[in-house]
Amino acid sequence: DGGITQSPKYLFRKEGQNVTLSCEQNLNHDAMYWYRQDPGQGLRLIYYSQIVNDFQKGDIAEGYSVSREKKESFPLTVTSAQKNPTAFYLCASSIPGGEPNTEAFFGQGTRLTVV
Amino acid sequence: GENVGLHLPTLSVQEGDNSIINCAYSNSASDYFIWYKQESGKGPQFIIDIRSNMDKRQGQRVTVLLNKTVKHLSLQIAATQPGDSAVYFCAENSPTGRRALTFGSGTRLQVQP
Repeated sequence: DGGITQSPKYLFRKEGQNVTLSCEQNLNHDAMYWYRQDPGQGLRLIYYSQIVNDFQKGDIAEGYSVSREKKESFPLTVTSAQKNPTAFYLCASSIPGGEPNTEAFFGQGTRLTVV
Repeated sequence: GENVGLHLPTLSVQEGDNSIINCAYSNSASDYFIWYKQESGKGPQFIIDIRSNMDKRQGQRVTVLLNKTVKHLSLQIAATQPGDSAVYFCAENSPTGRRALTFGSGTRLQVQP
């Protein structure tokens, strides 16, 4: 069935390492998003992509990078430049197309911990 | 109220009561609003949405009210059940600028059996 798959569910990273979080969707959605969530807080936008081969910075892009080579995939790399990467990362997708305002569907998240 | 640090505003209700969760949004140009429910350790789930040309929209046991004059959104849950216990977020989107949802800080709903 259709949905958004994030992997892994839990990820541990040593300081100074880059790690890549996977996000795949089979909903045929054009737009994809990455959000970060810290304990007891709301979601903050890291990067978003409205179409393949294009993406834009969100509010907290520093220390992160993304690619959008395929419609179905929007991986997020947390680089060593991100000073406080421990958080819950959520990927979402939606249909922007001619419908600018539609709900975003979320994956189940990846919890990243720096050890 | 607004969340500060680790402490989410919490609404505690008795099972069977009605719940009202409030949200103040920031962008007067926003024309689309969503309420999401998030259970612990999971991704947010869509509850209901509303466009700015409406004041009220009803779903199954839920109603969203929009007051554009004071930039206020509320979610009403009728006959609240233990399964409704979660954190609730409002989100807004604007037709100008970036095309991505902006989220509020959330409210924790605790339903007492």
